[in-house]
Amino acid sequence: AQKVTQAQTEISVVEKEDVTLDCVYETRDTTYYLFWYKQPPSGELVFLIRRNSFDEQNEISGRYSWNFQKSTSSFNFTITASQVVDSAVYFCALRRGTSYDKVIFGPGTSLSVIP
Amino acid sequence: GAGVSQTPSNKVTEKGKYVELRCDPISGHTALYWYRQSLGQGPEFLIYFQGTGAADDSGLPNDRFFAVRPEGSVSTLKIQRTERGDSAVYLCASSQQGWLEISEQYFGPGTRLTVT
Repeated sequence: AQKVTQAQTEISVVEKEDVTLDCVYETRDTTYYLFWYKQPPSGELVFLIRRNSFDEQNEISGRYSWNFQKSTSSFNFTITASQVVDSAVYFCALRRGTSYDKVIFGPGTSLSVIP
Repeated sequence: GAGVSQTPSNKVTEKGKYVELRCDPISGHTALYWYRQSLGQGPEFLIYFQGTGAADDSGLPNDRFFAVRPEGSVSTLKIQRTERGDSAVYLCASSQQGWLEISEQYFGPGTRLTVT
């Protein structure tokens, strides 16, 4: 079975602080994909990153960075120097390594950045 | 180009009524997915289509739910005899699938369904 856990339900930080959102996943597949999505108050899911199971390199995109560790089945997301516009619900998700398949979402972490 | 669109954006209906929710995928996207997101939860998979056929409908909760995609583009999610527990945001996503590559699912803004 596939499962995604995001233990942090809600996080509040003060603007310019760094924040890490945790994600732990379960799968029996050897090939799979991990994702992070952002859902701002407007409600639309915004794709942030995709990582395949064979690529454990960390990735940085501006203020965002991702740490993928297969040994601990984790795919954590760090926002550096947070801004108010980062306030949103963030979902970690898992997908099997087949061409067409559903995405299994975690329960989400609600991030509030306080000015 | 245009993203995934969904209509209506909001739908309020009475318990026991029938509703249809529409999804217009990104032009040329062959795969289409429906998800349901209840308050405070992550989206849950309902069904996906490859072209006109439902390739996986394992997420449909019961036989009151049905979806079609007759021409391989627009899809309609149909809910019969609605119940208050059906209240949620219904999300549609589409993706362009190559032979061996995986591609992102692009999500629409959702339809917020409220059953009173």
